[in-house]
Amino acid sequence: GAVVSQHPSRVICKSGTSVKIECRSLDFQATTMFWYRQFPKQSLMLMATSNEGSKATYEQGVEKDKFLINHASLTLSTLTVTSAHPEDSSFYICSTPFFGSGANVLTFGAGSRLTVL
Amino acid sequence: KNEVEQSPQNLTAQEGEFITINCSYSVGISALHWLQQHPGGGIVSLFMLSSGKKKHGRLIATINIQEKHSSLHITASHPRDSAVYICAALLTNSGGSNYKLTFGKGTLLTVNP
Repeated sequence: GAVVSQHPSRVICKSGTSVKIECRSLDFQATTMFWYRQFPKQSLMLMATSNEGSKATYEQGVEKDKFLINHASLTLSTLTVTSAHPEDSSFYICSTPFFGSGANVLTFGAGSRLTVL
Repeated sequence: KNEVEQSPQNLTAQEGEFITINCSYSVGISALHWLQQHPGGGIVSLFMLSSGKKKHGRLIATINIQEKHSSLHITASHPRDSAVYICAALLTNSGGSNYKLTFGKGTLLTVNP
């Protein structure tokens, strides 16, 4: 089946540093990657949509200069939280639709829990 | 009002019980997903439905397009079923590269031995 590998699963960083989260599709091409964040006991909130080879589309209220998204290849999309602050502490998760075998499957990464001190 | 509403928010059951989680939506959709999120955060896609009913093991998902309602059933529930179950609607005209979902807030299921 379609697998998305997301790293790191947990990261703790100091305020002001940048953190990069990677989502890599294994054995299939991910043209589109959705990046979500989830606060405790809340729904997933879409942050941005990345498409390979083009600029990401950000949702309203999401700062594109703070959350840098790169989708340079069909198998790798990255989210970089720049100059992280404690309020950026959250669970970040990527997802991509996989259209194969006549069925549409949503594949999620395992998520990255970011804690900014 | 959220476009996708789930009920109940929390559900506690004894092992072996039949579980039902409900999802209602107020907009036109092309498909509805049921997702399972474990305590560690990882999310697994259980079903994608656009009509009728699907079954996988002890899990059954149904959808009634006219009533804008979907249910997830778990038969013979087990403690390992304890997780957050989330329904997510793919709004009409959101296919292809614009595969954007609207999520319910989730139902926390706890199955006690």
